[in-house]
Amino acid sequence: QQKVQQSPESLIVPEGGMASLNCTSSDRNVDYFWWYRQHSGKSPKMLMSIFSNGEKEEGRFTVHLNKASLHTSLHIRDSQPSDSALYLCAASNAGAKLTFGGGTRLTVRP
Amino acid sequence: GGIITQTPKFLIGQEGQKLTLKCQQNFNHDTMYWYRQDSGKGLRLIYYSITENDLQKGDLSEGYDASREKKSSFSLTVTSAQKNEMAVFLCASSMGRNTEVFFGKGTRLTVV
Repeated sequence: QQKVQQSPESLIVPEGGMASLNCTSSDRNVDYFWWYRQHSGKSPKMLMSIFSNGEKEEGRFTVHLNKASLHTSLHIRDSQPSDSALYLCAASNAGAKLTFGGGTRLTVRP
Repeated sequence: GGIITQTPKFLIGQEGQKLTLKCQQNFNHDTMYWYRQDSGKGLRLIYYSITENDLQKGDLSEGYDASREKKSSFSLTVTSAQKNEMAVFLCASSMGRNTEVFFGKGTRLTVV
């Protein structure tokens, strides 16, 4: 049973639309959340990280974190076809263990 | 910047064979990781190492051994290759807890 659950498994949005991805950890020892993006045939690359309650924005990407529920979400506004990729959420704890979820496959239709 | 080099890029082995995957990083990072990624799926942690000579089991360690020979290198051994573990194996490294993790390009394992 994965300790990091992502939803939905797949998501299709039109170009220019908003994509919203969710992630929850069942491990109460985690204290940092990460979002990685993996284009087809490539390695994952970090998009954003968050460790405090609230919201963090970088360009078209916004991450929210609710520490009480260990839930984070990633929102991509004005989605572009180049945003089509596998989005991976990960959670880390004090011991440097980094656990990933099953991913959300995002497709942005032109 | 630095780079993580995984060898080989492609590995074909026979069922039951013992196979070794290697990883080198020149970031001078303390922590290294091995993940397995089945086609189109998320990453599952096999082993990680916080520092040289340290070894910690991940959630998928059964059937695998690992060795952190020195700070820059981390190897993974598949003790008895099975057809249901054909996947891409990703090596990663970071400075330590709660720091960005960087990935190598992966080793694709095929078991015949």
